Amino acid sequence: GESVGLHLPTLSVQEGDNSIINCAYSNSASDYFIWYKQESGKGPQFIIDIRSNMDKRQGQRVTVLLNKTVKHLSLQIAATQPGDSAVYFCAENFNNAGNMLTFGGGTRLMVKP
Amino acid sequence: GAGVSQSPSNKVTEKGKDVELRCDPISGHTALYWYRQSLGQGLEFLIYFQGNSAPDKSGLPSDRFSAERTGGSVSTLTIQRTQQEDSAVYLCASSRRQGRGKANEKLFFGSGTQLSVL
Repeated sequence: GESVGLHLPTLSVQEGDNSIINCAYSNSASDYFIWYKQESGKGPQFIIDIRSNMDKRQGQRVTVLLNKTVKHLSLQIAATQPGDSAVYFCAENFNNAGNMLTFGGGTRLMVKP
Repeated sequence: GAGVSQSPSNKVTEKGKDVELRCDPISGHTALYWYRQSLGQGLEFLIYFQGNSAPDKSGLPSDRFSAERTGGSVSTLTIQRTQQEDSAVYLCASSRRQGRGKANEKLFFGSGTQLSVL
């Protein structure tokens, strides 16, 4: 079946550096992608989204890049802060199925002071 | 309320017992979702409610799982005859709407219920 993402790898970065978290998706029909941040003991929190008719979208300190050719999604966090430490999930949606999302396994980001 | 509220936050039960998990969505949100998150894994879709329409139950793993949503607001997820493999965090989310061809609405998640089946 379709799958999204990797099985919880860990990315360790120094405070102030930029972080890049990657995600691979397998359903070429997916047309909407979202990044969520999940801190310990909390539910996932929306970070940024992108539709398939775009290849880049920027938010505050975050940028999402979409490469449909290789079915790859990335989240870039500028000037990473200790508060960015969390597990990051990518999610995909296809066929305008609203918010019935398929989630990846997540990436743990650890920020070293 | 200010956010999606779930109760209890933690539930420990014995194998074979039934459990009920509750979700209070954000006021005014018509769409409600249940997801399950196993340890170190991503989120698995379970069931979705939109207004008064029949729920989409396509993600429920077995007939031991059921959910209802009363009055278009509060939802209860029931797991009958719990098994150890049911142990997970059960997350509820809501959004303002969900509809084909329309802009996807942001999902707001609760903090989840940690279910442990002994």
